[in-house]
Amino acid sequence: GESVGLHLPTLSVQEGDNSIINCAYSNSASDYFIWYKQESGKGPQFIIDIRSNMDKRQGQRVTVLLNKTVKHLSLQIAATQSGDSAVYFCADRMGYNNNDMRFGAGTRLTVKP
Amino acid sequence: DAGVTQSPTHLIKTRGQQVTLRCSPKSGHDTVSWYQQALGQGPQFIFQYYEEEERQRGNFPDRFSGHQFPNYSSELNVNALLLGDSALYLCASSLGTDYNSPLHFGNGTRLTVT
Repeated sequence: GESVGLHLPTLSVQEGDNSIINCAYSNSASDYFIWYKQESGKGPQFIIDIRSNMDKRQGQRVTVLLNKTVKHLSLQIAATQSGDSAVYFCADRMGYNNNDMRFGAGTRLTVKP
Repeated sequence: DAGVTQSPTHLIKTRGQQVTLRCSPKSGHDTVSWYQQALGQGPQFIFQYYEEEERQRGNFPDRFSGHQFPNYSSELNVNALLLGDSALYLCASSLGTDYNSPLHFGNGTRLTVT
């Protein structure tokens, strides 16, 4: 089965609000995590990554939180914009020297005007 | 700075045929990974090529094979196509010497098997 999964398949937010997309993983050996954004007709686009020795990492309008105790990952998007509408995937790597990034099924984020 | 490019963008094949998909990595990248993405699903890892050799393979049958050329570009070959092979095939590149180099994806090849 999948090692990475998302709590909700869809998320709808008002433009300007903050969005939180959640992800759970099952393998305690996972040492590297990435969030990707995929727009219709395009390939996944890198958003932000985090290593397992970190709890939090911030980018431009995005923050990733990692809770290794409960094997949970979240992506927070501040001041969500219409251009943020897409499917968001979390992916993890199964440990050092394992180049297999495993993806969850994705969460579709819809931003309402 | 050219990103990952894939060709063709769309392809229609018949069951039993063979197909070859092509990928050029992002400038400066030397590692190519191939993923299969079924409709409504996340990408599934097929294999990864580094230094012209298959470095790692996912849970895909031998009908799926690949190649990497000296210029780091890569091909994915699928033999004896099945209806279930219909999917978006994504190529991703990264820097093999940087273990934490994130994957950069192309826009994929949409394969339809009839």
